[in-house]
Amino acid sequence: GAGVSQSPRYKVAKRGQDVALRCDPISGHVSLFWYQQALGQGPEFLTYFQNEAQLDKSGLPSDRFFAERPEGSVSTLKIQRTQQEDSAVYLCASSRTGGDGEAFFGQGTRLTVV
Amino acid sequence: GENVEQHPSTLSVQEGDSAVIKCTYSDSASNYFPWYKQELGKRPQLIIDIRSNVGEKKDQRIAVTLNKTAKHFSLHITETQPEDSAVYFCAASEFSGGYNKLIFGAGTRLAVHP
Repeated sequence: GAGVSQSPRYKVAKRGQDVALRCDPISGHVSLFWYQQALGQGPEFLTYFQNEAQLDKSGLPSDRFFAERPEGSVSTLKIQRTQQEDSAVYLCASSRTGGDGEAFFGQGTRLTVV
Repeated sequence: GENVEQHPSTLSVQEGDSAVIKCTYSDSASNYFPWYKQELGKRPQLIIDIRSNVGEKKDQRIAVTLNKTAKHFSLHITETQPEDSAVYFCAASEFSGGYNKLIFGAGTRLAVHP
């Protein structure tokens, strides 16, 4: 596709439910980032992949959050036992390289935990 | 780690006036400073960026200045138009392990009134 694609666009989960958020980066992009954007705030870094390798997961808020990119393209962010504080927009971004390239963002998945 | 402060949080201007948004950062090792525009419900989009070896960069009505000594950078929009209304985010890149991890400010909501 022409840009970074995320699905679903909206997700409502009951507290305690597990969710999986998908990111399709731009084809050929080496780097993939996940960010969490709370209402009225800037995006906050969650994790980074270079191809299939997860090189940085320092921003994941708890061990309920897990991300993978098994074949170096599509990535999934999984949240187990969702809590109300997990409600946010989850943004995925990709860049052609890691060190010097513009990061292109997807439209995000808005997660609401009720 | 890096911390980015952004001011003001809201900015209201008349069409045709200039708008200035300011950011400060804490990590002197940061070397890449992009600005993103995010319209309501849409993805953040890069509008301009600057690297630490440059003091100023212009692109039509948009300019960014960087003061490395003071660790601050600013976005200047001249001849504002209603379509400039959006939330603007500054970011600083914490270059770590061969990739740019963007640390964002909290955002500035710009309203341009006709």
